[in-house]
Amino acid sequence: AQSVAQPEDQVNVAEGNPLTVKCTYSVSGNPYLFWYVQYPNRGLQFLLKYITGDNLVKGSYGFEAEFNKSQTSFHLKKPSALVSDSALYFCAVRDMRVDTNAGKSTFGDGTTLTVKP
Amino acid sequence: DGGITQSPKYLFRKEGQNVTLSCEQNLNHDAMYWYRQDPGQGLRLIYYSQIVNDFQKGDIAEGYSVSREKKESFPLTVTSAQKNPTAFYLCASSTRTGAGANVLTFGAGSRLTVL
Repeated sequence: AQSVAQPEDQVNVAEGNPLTVKCTYSVSGNPYLFWYVQYPNRGLQFLLKYITGDNLVKGSYGFEAEFNKSQTSFHLKKPSALVSDSALYFCAVRDMRVDTNAGKSTFGDGTTLTVKP
Repeated sequence: DGGITQSPKYLFRKEGQNVTLSCEQNLNHDAMYWYRQDPGQGLRLIYYSQIVNDFQKGDIAEGYSVSREKKESFPLTVTSAQKNPTAFYLCASSTRTGAGANVLTFGAGSRLTVL
């Protein structure tokens, strides 16, 4: 089985400050890890993914995430937050083994990020 | 532009009625998925399909049905057996190869409200 935990329902930061949205995962094999963002009444948009290689992954809109295998974490970070970053963020995991779960991704419950001016 | 189109965007249903949500993609993706989103509960997988004419139940398939007669289309029917159908429904697709492999592309969603 695979699972994702996003321990914070809400993260509040001031504009210009660094932000971190936390994610930990559990998977039997090696993980594919993803971050998606959702704006109100919209579908999710892909931000970045970790497949293999460098543990620091850079994605869209200045976001990055660091894969930490020993801590089974994949925290989303941005050095300087913008008000426009305010949205709902989802972490997702799927097992790298092709024959497992047939490509299903499991999502966390989401973290609402609010960036205040 | 390539993408996923879901319709209708908003739908109201009386109790006891079946409704069908449309999902069409022109991305040439093999796999398609239906997720249900409720406040504070993230996304839960209803059904998914890896190829045409084949689909599997997800985690919360009871009260739902799907078909995959064409690669581009994956409609979801919410039946009267679904006890709490009011939710936001998201369709997604993915490919297994190339730079975008395993990344889900989502539609804009359909919001179903049972009156």
